Amino acid sequence: AQRVTQPEKLLSVFKGAPVELKCNYSYSGSPELFWYVQYSRQRLQLLLRHISRESIKGFTADLNKGETSFHLKKPFAQEEDSAMYYCALGTGNTPLVFGKGTRLSVIA
Amino acid sequence: EAGVAQSPRYKIIEKRQSVAFWCNPISGHATLYWYQQILGQGPKLLIQFQNNGVVDDSQLPKDRFSAERLKGVDSTLKIQPAKLEDSAVYLCASSLGGRSYNEQFFGPGTRLTVL
Repeated sequence: AQRVTQPEKLLSVFKGAPVELKCNYSYSGSPELFWYVQYSRQRLQLLLRHISRESIKGFTADLNKGETSFHLKKPFAQEEDSAMYYCALGTGNTPLVFGKGTRLSVIA
Repeated sequence: EAGVAQSPRYKIIEKRQSVAFWCNPISGHATLYWYQQILGQGPKLLIQFQNNGVVDDSQLPKDRFSAERLKGVDSTLKIQPAKLEDSAVYLCASSLGGRSYNEQFFGPGTRLTVL
């Protein structure tokens, strides 16, 4: 069965420090990986997906099939990055499987 | 464009009562999803519709939960009778297509508390 693991419930970093939110997945086929974000009092929304290979709001994520990981990174954290981040796994026809989420807190 | 609409935003009921949630997806989105998000967990899919047909309801507790999407637009999710463990946020989402690479747009959610 497909599974997504986000090992950190809470991650606190200082403003300007690098950020890495970890995501590991379990799936033997070709995965589709996503990061969704929920800012305070806002809706859950797509941040980025691995097939786009894009950088959104300074965040990037690289799919590492060898390590079955899709970690989210940003070189310099900003206060507005504070939010709940969910990693999600898709396999084409099956529903997305979400991780439990990591709350990022950026301290000024 | 207008986003996904859900109502009510909050609901408090006692166990064994029934409750219904409503969702209006983004215009033109063929696929509609209902998720359950229990505190501290990620969203879990309950049911996925493609137009007015069910694509996946494998995780829907069918003895108490039901959902419909008449005319392929609005959808309702019902719980009857509710249990304490049904306390959660119920999210509705929609997308243009049903493949996992299609971006899902989420509504604000309905927070259900079962006492």
